[in-house]
Amino acid sequence: DTAVSQTPKYLVTQMGNDKSIKCEQNLGHDTMYWYKQDSKKFLKIMFSYNNKELIINETVPNRFSPKSPDKAHLNLHINSLELGDSAVYFCASSQGSISPLHFGNGTRLTVT
Amino acid sequence: AQTVTQSQPEMSVQEAETVTLSCTYDTSENNYYLFWYKQPPSRQMILVIRQEAYKQQNATENRFSVNFQKAAKSFSLKISDSQLGDTAMYFCAFMMYSGGGADGLTFGKGTHLIIQP
Repeated sequence: DTAVSQTPKYLVTQMGNDKSIKCEQNLGHDTMYWYKQDSKKFLKIMFSYNNKELIINETVPNRFSPKSPDKAHLNLHINSLELGDSAVYFCASSQGSISPLHFGNGTRLTVT
Repeated sequence: AQTVTQSQPEMSVQEAETVTLSCTYDTSENNYYLFWYKQPPSRQMILVIRQEAYKQQNATENRFSVNFQKAAKSFSLKISDSQLGDTAMYFCAFMMYSGGGADGLTFGKGTHLIIQP
């Protein structure tokens, strides 16, 4: 059973489009995250949700909006996609600070 | 804010050798966790090892061990008897104990480790 699953694995789209990435975890964790990995492999946190509540929102354009329908799901919606949004996006979950983060396999977003 | 520094962008060793990856961090917190994650070409993020700052004993997981020096804020990873499958990006990461993990992990920029046959 996949612990943290995100779809799609690859996403190719044109500038200006709106797209979503879905994430689900079956670990019963309370906290979920979105990370962005840029072309230099640097990983940076974008959002953190705890029990469906937004806890942290790093300096991310408001074109990016996370949505958490329940504590097992954290989806990422991106409006008006730009070339600079091309990256790998990782979803992750943890049980507070007592467990390490478990990551999904990432979504490679390519904006043309 | 916490920072994590990995000073070796790339390392290359022969199979079966021992290799040490460096990591230093900066924090004013006293309670925290440190991690090493591995990212092979498949891009999956795999937890290698975890260290609680309050524990003096260095963590070990089979061929992987750490040298945790809290006063020096240093957290290096030693891989013994390296194998071809160890070829990957290795990320050092920090998590505060306070805040319930809501701040997530702060990552270093990674070290690309290549194991040569």
